[in-house]
Amino acid sequence: NAGVTQTPKFQVLKTGQSMTLQCAQDMNHNSMYWYRQDPGMGLRLIYYSASEGTTDKGEVPNGYNVSRLNKREFSLRLESAAPSQTSVYFCASRVPVTEAFFGQGTRLTVV
Amino acid sequence: GQQLNQSPQSMFIQEGEDVSMNCTSSSIFNTWLWYKQEPGEGPVLLIALYKAGELTSNGRLTAQFGITRKDSFLNISASIPSDVGIYFCAGQVGNFNKFYFGSGTKLNVKP
Repeated sequence: NAGVTQTPKFQVLKTGQSMTLQCAQDMNHNSMYWYRQDPGMGLRLIYYSASEGTTDKGEVPNGYNVSRLNKREFSLRLESAAPSQTSVYFCASRVPVTEAFFGQGTRLTVV
Repeated sequence: GQQLNQSPQSMFIQEGEDVSMNCTSSSIFNTWLWYKQEPGEGPVLLIALYKAGELTSNGRLTAQFGITRKDSFLNISASIPSDVGIYFCAGQVGNFNKFYFGSGTKLNVKP
């Protein structure tokens, strides 16, 4: 019973490098989300996808792009990583108006 | 973005004590959710509230959706060491596909 799976779990990048964080869910949920978590700031919404083929900006979208590849997968791309993007990234999925299920997170450090 | 004010920021209590934490906002929310996060893990849902005035329990946990729809509280009775973690409120406003998190309450329970 996998739920929401994120890869990789840990990543260290140099400033200016690019990378894609992967997320997949097996619960047939329409909506998927990317959050970042910084100490003392809770989780902040980066982007979300209400359904396959649609994406929308959240609170802190700058420096990120997303792709809803199909109903299962929602990826987050950093084109040119910056130290300010050092954070823990969480993917979540849900059926609208119900609770969200979260992955275990990707711990990203940009040096 | 939406502002959820969660308090207290942290709590240090003795095992067996009751705990209370709350979230307030200047916005009206359609849904309130309470999550718990343990180190190295993603948030896990504890209680979901969908109607103003709703009072819901889950074991030793009780949460209420405020009548004004701008606040919610979570109570934990007879705390135990495994209650340690960070508790987040999350609220959904307007667009049913977006929800926002408070900054978290870090709970420490001394055996």
